[in-house]
Amino acid sequence: DSGVTQTPKHLITATGQRVTLRCSPRSGDLSVYWYQQSLDQGLQFLIQYYNGEERAKGNILERFSAQQFPDLHSELNLSSLELGDSALYFCASSVEGSGELFFGEGSRLTVL
Amino acid sequence: AQKVTQAQTEISVVEKEDVTLDCVYETRDTTYYLFWYKQPPSGELVFLIRRNSFDEQNEISGRYSWNFQKSTSSFNFTITASQVVDSAVYFCALSEFSTGRRALTFGSGTRLQVQP
Repeated sequence: DSGVTQTPKHLITATGQRVTLRCSPRSGDLSVYWYQQSLDQGLQFLIQYYNGEERAKGNILERFSAQQFPDLHSELNLSSLELGDSALYFCASSVEGSGELFFGEGSRLTVL
Repeated sequence: AQKVTQAQTEISVVEKEDVTLDCVYETRDTTYYLFWYKQPPSGELVFLIRRNSFDEQNEISGRYSWNFQKSTSSFNFTITASQVVDSAVYFCALSEFSTGRRALTFGSGTRLQVQP
């Protein structure tokens, strides 16, 4: 158990819809990262937050957005969903400077 | 830009064989971390090891060992006497230090199948 909690574990929705994925980092970790794992793209970094502020952006689509709240949990919002957005979405957290990321179990999104 | 290459897409071995998973990385940074993660069929990502760029000592942990060579930009992972439970996808990853960005760049992964 990494200490990072992601909900929901599974989600099935239709094209054009919007979903929100939630992540609670390990206690004390200020950084939260979101990754997308799809069959054809591998593990892609989407975005990082540190103590509520956006720290780095990766290959995140404009239809996707994220935020980190004062209690440090984070949400990834995916809108206007397309079939290609079907993937496993991971959240990770870290102690700043440690370099080590602890991953949650992922949220599996299926878009039909 | 940083890049991690895992040229072996899939490896199949028989139990008790030794197997080495290759990882080659590219970075312009002089300070960086290298990682290996394991993703079993259940899907979670399990941290195996972190190595910083100043520490080229090889490391052994039980049946696992890692060989870091800066001269060839490689960070290879060897499993000795493989077991069926080692079947998983293994990812090598890199994070740069000087840019302040700690997000990991992952390789494409190597799927290891250990047959009984």
